[in-house]
Amino acid sequence: AIRMTQSPSSFSASTGDRVTITCRASQGISSYLAWYQQKPGKAPKLLIYAASTLQSGVPSRFSGSGSGTDFTLTISCLQSEDFATYYCQQYYSYPSITFGPGTKVDIK
Amino acid sequence: QVQLVESGGGLVKPGGSLRLSCAASGFTFSDYYMSWIRQAPGKGLEWVSYISSSSSYTNYADSVKGRFTISRDNAKNSLYLQMNSLRAEDTAVYYCARGVGGLPYYFDYWGQGTLVTVSS
Repeated sequence: AIRMTQSPSSFSASTGDRVTITCRASQGISSYLAWYQQKPGKAPKLLIYAASTLQSGVPSRFSGSGSGTDFTLTISCLQSEDFATYYCQQYYSYPSITFGPGTKVDIK
Repeated sequence: QVQLVESGGGLVKPGGSLRLSCAASGFTFSDYYMSWIRQAPGKGLEWVSYISSSSSYTNYADSVKGRFTISRDNAKNSLYLQMNSLRAEDTAVYYCARGVGGLPYYFDYWGQGTLVTVSS
C-alpha cells in the first residue's frame, strides 16, 4: 500500500502569512492527489483534486502543486477561517485509498 | 444541494454489531460510487470501504475485511455499513462520502458523521 506522509505535523502562523504544507507519497502517484480541510467537529471539505485543480467554491488563495511523489498545498494569505487541519489523499493506488496523517495549522 | 446524513451510531460492547445508514439527497445517488471513511478520536482519516453505483463491486480496508459489509439501496437513496465483531479500535466517527474522479476516488461531499463507541 502507498504510504502518505505530511510535514510539518503542526505549526503556528499568523493571519496574512503565506503557508506551505508538504505531502509525500511512498511511490509515484502521478497527479492523483487531493487535499482536504477539516475544522474541529466538522467533516472534511475538499479543497483541491488532481494535485492542482481547485474545487468549485474554494477561495483562490489555496493552490496545489506537484506530481509523482512530492506535493504542496499553499495558502497565499492566511485568513482566520483557514486555521484547521489539512489532509492529503492519494487515489492512484487501486483498490486502496490512503490519507496523510494531517497538518494542523493554528494561530500564533 | 447535495446532502449526506448518517445515522445509527452509538455505544456497543466489544463483539457486538451495529448498522450505520447514510441518507443521500440533492443528486442522482445511483450514478455514484459511495464510501465510508472513519476518524478515531483525535486521529486522522481512514478509508473503510466503497461500493460501486450498481453494488456490483465493493472493497474494504484490511482492518475491517470480513467484519464489515457495505451495501446500498438506490431506490431509497441510502448507503449502509453493517459492522460485526466490533473492537475497541473501531471506535470512531464514521463519515459517508461521495466518490468522484474514477476508481479509486477522491471525495467531494461528506456527511456530518456518526459516532461509534465500542466499549464494555
